[in-house]
Amino acid sequence: QSVLTQPPSASGTPGQRVTISCSGSSSNIGSNTVNWYQQLPGTAPKLLIYGNNQRPSGVPDRFSGSKSGTSASLAISGLQSEDEADYYCAAWDDSLNGYVFGTGTKVTVL
Amino acid sequence: EVQLVESGGGLVQPGGSLRLSCAASGFTFSSYWMIWVRQAPGKGLEWVANINQDGSVNYYVDSVKGRFTISRDNAKNSLFLQMNSLRVEDTALYYCARGGVAIGSAWGQGTLVTVSS
Repeated sequence: QSVLTQPPSASGTPGQRVTISCSGSSSNIGSNTVNWYQQLPGTAPKLLIYGNNQRPSGVPDRFSGSKSGTSASLAISGLQSEDEADYYCAAWDDSLNGYVFGTGTKVTVL
Repeated sequence: EVQLVESGGGLVQPGGSLRLSCAASGFTFSSYWMIWVRQAPGKGLEWVANINQDGSVNYYVDSVKGRFTISRDNAKNSLFLQMNSLRVEDTALYYCARGGVAIGSAWGQGTLVTVSS
């Protein structure tokens, strides 16, 4: 049972901006940094954002992350067809003493 | 090039055991926490366990506590997951991933574990 809640789906047309929310609690997002992962169909996850808003080398600056209180968001600007994938947020949870993933959001490019 | 390669998956009956391995290369393995993550067919990601750099600290998701054991051999750049008393609900693709500040900065391709009679 995931403790981080995401919308099951999001969509947009090419070039649009899409935002994905991630809702948690004081024991996870409220006290630890948030990471975001992209999982293209049939492939392993890929780190997209770490430390709330840091992009690993090679990740386009179209992807950005933010955090406020017990919630976080991933924004994809200038949506492209290759962004069609599942996206997961994650954070360490101090109460569970474990790393928790969000429920996942499927992004569709219309 | 950073590379993680899992092996050891397969078909096992309920109650059986499997030992997964993850061979690391391209980075200083002994300097990183390592984690196991699984994904049941058609489902989301679930963290399973993680282990610190020298193997002295580990954490597990509640559902596998007492059944799974994470370990590592820094001399062989290898991570392991010993899975005992397997259940049907343990069926999943198991990934190893690199920990650290940027958890999941590297992932393997996964190894499939199927628990079925």
